[in-house]
Amino acid sequence: AQSVTQLGSHVSVSEGALVLLRCNYSSSVPPYLFWYVQYPNQGLQLLLKYTTGATLVKGINGFEAEFKKSETSFHLTKPSAHMSDAAEYFCAVTSSGGSNYKLTFGKGTLLTVNP
Amino acid sequence: DSGVTQTPKHLITATGQRVTLRCSPRSGDLSVYWYQQSLDQGLQFLIQYYNGEERAKGNILERFSAQQFPDLHSELNLSSLELGDSALYFCASSVWGGNTGELFFGEGSRLTVL
Repeated sequence: AQSVTQLGSHVSVSEGALVLLRCNYSSSVPPYLFWYVQYPNQGLQLLLKYTTGATLVKGINGFEAEFKKSETSFHLTKPSAHMSDAAEYFCAVTSSGGSNYKLTFGKGTLLTVNP
Repeated sequence: DSGVTQTPKHLITATGQRVTLRCSPRSGDLSVYWYQQSLDQGLQFLIQYYNGEERAKGNILERFSAQQFPDLHSELNLSSLELGDSALYFCASSVWGGNTGELFFGEGSRLTVL
């Protein structure tokens, strides 16, 4: 069985500050990991994904995440927050031998950016 | 714009009623997924269709049903509605049913049951 834990349901940062959203996963097989973003009144949009290869993956809007197997983590970072980054962020996991319908989402982290 | 269209955007109805939510996937996508998003449960996978056939079932109640039509649009039918069914229902699509994890989500249908 797979699971995702997002630490902190709400993170608040100042504009220009580092953004760090935490995600830990549990999977009995090699995971595929994803971050999705949901802007107000919109559906989810894929930010970035890790399947195999390089453990540091870059996504849209300046976000990146690093897969750390030893820590079972896939934290999302951005060096400098912008007001437009305010949204809810979801970490998700599926397995290399699985299917899309097995995508398991975390509960989400609401990011607030203060001017 | 993800290319996935959901209607209606908002729906208010009473307990015991039945509603139908509609989804048109991105052009070329064969798989359609339905998710329910609520504050207490988060995002819950309901059901997947691939090219007209049911592919996988998640936490879908017996009062709920879905289908995918030959033109690949999908409908989610919710019947004998209860207060607890109030939620945001998302449709997502992907090219195939594999495990790329890249789903394209519609903007959702917000259902309020009074």
